[in-house]
Amino acid sequence: GNSVTQMEGPVTLSEEAFLTINCTYTATGYPSLFWYVQYPGEGLQLLLKATKADDKGSNKGFEATYRKETTSFHLEKGSVQVSDSAVYFCALQSGNTPLVFGKGTRLSVIA
Amino acid sequence: NAGVMQNPRHLVRRRGQEARLRCSPMKGHSHVYWYRQLPEEGLKFMVYLQKENIIDESGMPKERFSAEFPKEGPSILRIQQVVRGDSAAYFCASSAAAGGANSPLHFGNGTRLTVT
Repeated sequence: GNSVTQMEGPVTLSEEAFLTINCTYTATGYPSLFWYVQYPGEGLQLLLKATKADDKGSNKGFEATYRKETTSFHLEKGSVQVSDSAVYFCALQSGNTPLVFGKGTRLSVIA
Repeated sequence: NAGVMQNPRHLVRRRGQEARLRCSPMKGHSHVYWYRQLPEEGLKFMVYLQKENIIDESGMPKERFSAEFPKEGPSILRIQQVVRGDSAAYFCASSAAAGGANSPLHFGNGTRLTVT
């Protein structure tokens, strides 16, 4: 079945540091890949997405590239801010199956 | 343009009581999904509904849990005879078409159920 594995947190970084959150997946067919972000006390918001191999999703300075050869979709940001502190979820969707999430990675950015 | 609305935000129930969680999808959305989030866990799919129909309930516990999305009104997730293990955050999401890259899910802020 479809599954997503992402690096465990929590991740603590200083402001302006480089961020990488690893995500790998297992799926049948050709899934679409997503990163969602959850701020404290809120629901999930779509951060970025990619629909096919080598696509790069980007938003708010975050980027992730769909790598079919390594079945990965790592999230990166060059310079994090305190306001980026949140929980980040990698997810995939394939065919008519429901969206499948990883366990989430908590990011804390300190000034 | 209101997003996905869930209520209540917080719900406290004693063991054995019933919990009813409501979700109004975004305007124009006819597909609704319910997910459960346990502490420090990801979101687990429960059920997918389209107006008046259950499309996929593969993630729903076989007993005590039910969901509906009537022609008029919000989607309801009902948990009968709650137990402490039901304590979690329950999130509803909606989409304009069957969820995918071109019809991403929009999430509500969740209902946090506490069973005492």
